[in-house]
Amino acid sequence: KAGVTQTPRYLIKTRGQQVTLSCSPISGHRSVSWYQQTPGQGLQFLFEYFSETQRNKGNFPGRFSGRQFSNSRSEMNVSTLELGDSALYLCASSTGLAGGHNEQFFGPGTRLTVL
Amino acid sequence: SQQGEEDPQALSIQEGENATMNCSYKTSINNLQWYRQNSGRGLVHLILIRSNEREKHSGRLRVTLDTSKKSSSLLITASRAADTASYFCATAGKAAGNKLTFGGGTRVLVKP
Repeated sequence: KAGVTQTPRYLIKTRGQQVTLSCSPISGHRSVSWYQQTPGQGLQFLFEYFSETQRNKGNFPGRFSGRQFSNSRSEMNVSTLELGDSALYLCASSTGLAGGHNEQFFGPGTRLTVL
Repeated sequence: SQQGEEDPQALSIQEGENATMNCSYKTSINNLQWYRQNSGRGLVHLILIRSNEREKHSGRLRVTLDTSKKSSSLLITASRAADTASYFCATAGKAAGNKLTFGGGTRVLVKP
């Protein structure tokens, strides 16, 4: 099976712009979770989608949003980018919800730089 | 604040030695998982231990869980240069909002 793929791998944006990141989970996985990783804050949970429904959300402002399509692919969007949004954005998929006894399979991440 | 806190933050050992890192957490959990991350890439799942388990092995990895102390340890035996990575514990459970919550990680350097 192909692993989790994320596109693009690298992205440079300027403050105020918006960005959309994409994640394709492993075939058959219905849960997709997103995480933000920064040197200062570490790995922080953004949100989880399961069967096209947002099942959980972390403590991020409303500028961060996401969605999941019927084929389980997911996108996350960040509007009005700020310098502090520079981070590695990781997507993970699993067969069941992340809060259960389910191993998470991570993609390689999208490195976002905001100038 | 993070659910899991890891100790030490960094560890440097010689190839062939054992590496031990610890994770403490705050709320009750369903399970605790350990992940490895190489140099800013995606995380790789190593092992999952459920709250009713005390010890689990996978190859050169040994994980223990003490729910009374809310702590876990990861032991890597006979380390190799390829084990150089950051290691994260992550907890899952209803008390933490049914999401996977990661600790700050331990950076391990294995010198050849």
